[in-house]
Amino acid sequence: ELKVEQNPLFLSMQEGKNYTIYCNYSTTSDRLYWYRQDPGKSLESLFVLLSNGAVKQEGRLMASLDTKARLSTLHITAAVHDLSATYFCAVDIRSGGSNYKLTFGKGTLLTVNP
Amino acid sequence: ETGVTQSPTHLIKTRGQQVTLRCSSQSGHNTVSWYQQALGQGPQFIFQYYREEENGRGNFPPRFSGLQFPNYSSELNVNALELDDSALYLCASSPNRAGNTIYFGEGSWLTVV
Repeated sequence: ELKVEQNPLFLSMQEGKNYTIYCNYSTTSDRLYWYRQDPGKSLESLFVLLSNGAVKQEGRLMASLDTKARLSTLHITAAVHDLSATYFCAVDIRSGGSNYKLTFGKGTLLTVNP
Repeated sequence: ETGVTQSPTHLIKTRGQQVTLRCSSQSGHNTVSWYQQALGQGPQFIFQYYREEENGRGNFPPRFSGLQFPNYSSELNVNALELDDSALYLCASSPNRAGNTIYFGEGSWLTVV
């Protein structure tokens, strides 16, 4: 059974600081997704990483994927309060030519303090 | 705006009752998945439909069932509701099987009392 583990589960940061959220998964997968969820809201897509070594950046967030290590990172640069949310990684566990199927981690609750 | 609309947004049901949740996807989105997200947890895959046929199921009992219709809408049915079914139910659609672009709806909050 695929396991997706995020670390840390809770993260309290000061504005202006940098930090990294880690996502480890237990089986082979070539694609990984990062989502943001605000309280009481749905999931907002941040990044889709489609191959080993993929790196994507949007604003203060940068995501990378190492399929050999089964590890993805979400790096936050110079955090601001607006980044406070829960962040999920999700791994695609499809086999062969079948449709995508996502397994999510438990999420990282990020709080950015002034 | 993802173009995925779910209804109802909130509802309260009594244990043992049945519920139907609905999802309307963008035209051309032939793949739809349903997820259950309990409070404080990540979403869990319930099942997926592709061109109106079930195409994969997660670890959920048969009382969770679904349908996908030709007009790109779908529904999730849950029979014999249990207290643990209380959760946010998310619908996700995609224009193809690749999953490069997946759009989530706002979700339906179900409370079972």
